[in-house]
Amino acid sequence: EADIYQTPRYLVIGTGKKITLECSQTMGHDKMYWYQQDPGMELHLIHYSYGVNSTEKGDLSSESTVSRIRTEHFPLTLESARPSHTSQYLCASSESGTAGTQYFGPGTRLTVL
Amino acid sequence: AQRVTQPEKLLSVFKGAPVELKCNYSYSGSPELFWYVQYSRQRLQLLLRHISRESIKGFTADLNKGETSFHLKKPFAQEEDSAMYYCALRPSGGATNKLIFGTGTLLAVQP
Repeated sequence: EADIYQTPRYLVIGTGKKITLECSQTMGHDKMYWYQQDPGMELHLIHYSYGVNSTEKGDLSSESTVSRIRTEHFPLTLESARPSHTSQYLCASSESGTAGTQYFGPGTRLTVL
Repeated sequence: AQRVTQPEKLLSVFKGAPVELKCNYSYSGSPELFWYVQYSRQRLQLLLRHISRESIKGFTADLNKGETSFHLKKPFAQEEDSAMYYCALRPSGGATNKLIFGTGTLLAVQP
């Protein structure tokens, strides 16, 4: 079944740890996105990708990095987690072209102690 | 600056009452506007988009360029409409297909 997956769903980790949030989609979409959402706040785009080997930073500055080696996979990495990184991270994908609807994954809720 | 404003964090109505979730935007061009919804324990999903001009689950939204608004309306609220609603804007002419979201309104429909 075509879907977009995120793991882990919840992560509690100590300061200074390296973490990778996984995002995979079986939708066949070229474009993928990472949004960050603090409680009660709007979603902010932090990374996006047009396709393989294409990544760009979004509107909100983030210390995280992303990679797009395979079409279906768009992981997000924090080299050294800090409490300020505590947030919800949502992955999304869409078809090529500007008219494509964005489909969202279930999200990863990250807490850095 | 591109911005989406949802002035109400919480909107509580009784079942059968009309609902209007407010959304105002700031954008100099011709945007595309969307409403996304997140039901309890579910993921964020598209509810409707202004270019489709369709009614989904009884909800409609009309783009008012003069008032830069895209309010979401439903004549008779149902308990299953209780959810978090986000208004979003996609700037025109961009290749990224990025969305700019509002802070969301929690709709609570009381029995």
